[in-house]
Amino acid sequence: SQQGEEDPQALSIQEGENATMNCSYKTSINNLQWYRQNSGRGLVHLILIRSNEREKHSGRLRVTLDTSKKSSSLLITASRAADTASYFCASLETSGSRLTFGEGTQLTVNP
Amino acid sequence: GAGVSQSPSNKVTEKGKDVELRCDPISGHTALYWYRQSLGQGLEFLIYFQGNSAPDKSGLPSDRFSAERTGGSVSTLTIQRTQQEDSAVYLCASSLVGSIETQYFGPGTRLLVL
Repeated sequence: SQQGEEDPQALSIQEGENATMNCSYKTSINNLQWYRQNSGRGLVHLILIRSNEREKHSGRLRVTLDTSKKSSSLLITASRAADTASYFCASLETSGSRLTFGEGTQLTVNP
Repeated sequence: GAGVSQSPSNKVTEKGKDVELRCDPISGHTALYWYRQSLGQGLEFLIYFQGNSAPDKSGLPSDRFSAERTGGSVSTLTIQRTQQEDSAVYLCASSLVGSIETQYFGPGTRLLVL
């Protein structure tokens, strides 16, 4: 079963706006990762944040992690139409050897 | 270098038939994962191979599902006596050490059971 929950399930914004997606998890984690998926095909890794980190940046992406609330957020700044995709968080439990994926957020950026 | 490849890209089969899905991981990656994704859903873990260790099969939904990894490289996921509920995209991923590291995904095989 999926331990990750993401909200919103769907998000529609205009080009140039910022998009924020949230993810919650249930157990203690080693790290949390965000992936992007276009058209129901393979996923592309975006960013990894470790349990001892609180914030990380990569280009227009900003990820935060709050282990006390067991939650993470992904912020995409100055969005572009090409950012339209599904975004998934995936957590690695400290006692586990595999990632548990959330249900995903479908982001639509309108030109 | 080449990424993870999967074949076939699409597979249509009749209920009750067996299917084999193939995954070629990135060369040198010791960890290999299979996931299933139903339409509009997240990824469901199926099985995990790490080096020569016994695979983690805890995600396989029934005994109709099995997977092998030969020579620590290519993997085959086999579904016997397919059912309509097996219809999904089957994704393979590989990583260098384990899921502590980034997973690299293949394009997936879209399976449709009629």
